Amino acid sequence: GESVGLHLPTLSVQEGDNSIINCAYSNSASDYFIWYKQESGKGPQFIIDIRSNMDKRQGQRVTVLLNKTVKHLSLQIAATQPGDSAVYFCATLLANAGGTSYGKLTFGQGTILTVHP
Amino acid sequence: DTEVTQTPKHLVMGMTNKKSLKCEQHMGHRAMYWYKQKAKKPPELMFVYSYEKLSINESVPSRFSPECPNSSLLNLHLHALQPEDSALYLCASSQVPLNTEAFFGQGTRLTVV
Repeated sequence: GESVGLHLPTLSVQEGDNSIINCAYSNSASDYFIWYKQESGKGPQFIIDIRSNMDKRQGQRVTVLLNKTVKHLSLQIAATQPGDSAVYFCATLLANAGGTSYGKLTFGQGTILTVHP
Repeated sequence: DTEVTQTPKHLVMGMTNKKSLKCEQHMGHRAMYWYKQKAKKPPELMFVYSYEKLSINESVPSRFSPECPNSSLLNLHLHALQPEDSALYLCASSQVPLNTEAFFGQGTRLTVV
């Protein structure tokens, strides 16, 4: 079956540092790779995605890197702020799971990011 | 309006009770989802509705019964639950047919006693 895992369960950084959160995946058939952020008491929030035919995508303060050779995904957060403290989930999306028109979103185990002022 | 609203925020129910969780969105999304999240675990997909029709049931026990009365509403009817069903139940919505950006509600914290 498909699984998405993370190398480290927790990450602590100082405010202003850059953060790198890593994720290993097993299903090479995934069409998209996505990062979600979940703050305490809230539902997950979309951060950024990358299509399987790309290796890098940049957003505002975030960069996602995809290495399909080693099935590795990473999220880089520049100038990390206390408001970035949350659990970060990587996720994979199959475009056509079971022949239907929706995408089946599968979440990995999550990394707890703590940013110290 | 980019919100998914879930009610109630907290629910305590006995194993013989019947209760319902409600979810509402007004973003015009035609896919809606129920996820279950245990403490310190990732969300696990339960059901998917696409255009108000049930598309996927991830082998969820029949004591959980979803319903999509219209394109803005999603319900999850609960009956004869077990203590191990205690979890955070998250509703989400997205555009169809395919969108990586799902919008999640803040969830209903369910405790079964």
